[in-house]
Amino acid sequence: GENVEQHPSTLSVQEGDSAVIKCTYSDSASNYFPWYKQELGKRPQLIIDIRSNVGEKKDQRIAVTLNKTAKHFSLHITETQPEDSAVYFCAATIKAAGNKLTFGGGTRVLVKP
Amino acid sequence: NAGVMQNPRHLVRRRGQEARLRCSPMKGHSHVYWYRQLPEEGLKFMVYLQKENIIDESGMPKERFSAEFPKEGPSILRIQQVVRGDSAAYFCASSPLPGSHSNQPQHFGDGTRLSIL
Repeated sequence: GENVEQHPSTLSVQEGDSAVIKCTYSDSASNYFPWYKQELGKRPQLIIDIRSNVGEKKDQRIAVTLNKTAKHFSLHITETQPEDSAVYFCAATIKAAGNKLTFGGGTRVLVKP
Repeated sequence: NAGVMQNPRHLVRRRGQEARLRCSPMKGHSHVYWYRQLPEEGLKFMVYLQKENIIDESGMPKERFSAEFPKEGPSILRIQQVVRGDSAAYFCASSPLPGSHSNQPQHFGDGTRLSIL
């Protein structure tokens, strides 16, 4: 089955700096890659996603890149703010496998004011 | 448009009791997924259901766990004879019918935090 590795597990950045989280996946059939943000005690919230026919997608301060050949994808947060502090999860899914999400282990991001 | 609704938000059970967790998908969504999140860990897929059908239960333990999504009413995740290791947050997600050429994003409920005494 699919396996998703995520790193780093923790990331501390100064407010205003950029944060980058990287994920690799094992199954080349994976074709959809969402990113979720989870604040303490809250539900995972979808913040951005990318499909396998696209190499990059941007939404304001958040961008995601996908390298299908290398089977890795990354989340980039620019101009970080204290409210960006949370745990971020990458995930991969295969439409033919019913779209179930395989998550990475998560990255705890702390933005220091 | 109400989001995914889960109840109860918190559930306390003693070892050996049964736990029932409910999930109502977003309006217009016909696919329900259950995930479990152990403390300080990521989310793990358990089961995927459509109305009256279990599509994929490969992530669900073979014993004590069951799930259903009846024609009417919410999806139910049932855990019988709970043990301490069942303590976790259980999240439900829903998505619309997948398009023929694209995946559909999953939206999560607030979860049920199950504590076993």
